[in-house]
Amino acid sequence: DAKTTQPNSMESNEEEPVHLPCNHSTISGTDYIHWYRQLPSQGPEYVIHGLTSNVNNRMASLAIAEDRKSSTLILHRATLRDAAVYYCILRGGGSNYKLTFGKGTLLTVNP
Amino acid sequence: KAGVTQTPRYLIKTRGQQVTLSCSPISGHRSVSWYQQTPGQGLQFLFEYFSETQRNKGNFPGRFSGRQFSNSRSEMNVSTLELGDSALYLCASSLGSIYNEQFFGPGTRLTVL
Repeated sequence: DAKTTQPNSMESNEEEPVHLPCNHSTISGTDYIHWYRQLPSQGPEYVIHGLTSNVNNRMASLAIAEDRKSSTLILHRATLRDAAVYYCILRGGGSNYKLTFGKGTLLTVNP
Repeated sequence: KAGVTQTPRYLIKTRGQQVTLSCSPISGHRSVSWYQQTPGQGLQFLFEYFSETQRNKGNFPGRFSGRQFSNSRSEMNVSTLELGDSALYLCASSLGSIYNEQFFGPGTRLTVL
């Protein structure tokens, strides 16, 4: 599986935007970039995914670099409920039905 | 609609015993995946079932097995429990394509004494 690299931790203030980076220099042309997050004492939850173009949904935005070797998850206004571990995951074509989780980024949101 | 449910939520077993965990996916979802989460190894993929067939398998010993029923409910079994099997076991369901998001249950916390 192609590997992703994320910072171990990041800190933000409430109601400020948060940019969570992810490097995936070995991404292949068929790999989708998925983001999941895990709130304390809960199972992971899907946040967003994309292939080449930037994507928006009600939860976040995903900005993908033109060469696709990196991406950034953007939380437009962080709330205390956004404090979680954020995972950047590549899912490719073929039979890659599993999610391969790295260590993720622990996001702390300060009031 | 109802989310993914897992039973039991907590379980305590002793070494050498075996355990069965259950997962009920979201209605209409045909894929069920199982993951193990430990502080040391993080989240690791165990296996995935789609329409009663194992479609993907992670790197776990044969003591870990699973199955899926015709109603898409899934069970995983761990035989001859070891202390290192203490973990949070998470189940996720999806429609089945690699492009579909996975919906996770709350997990079963297994403690092996």
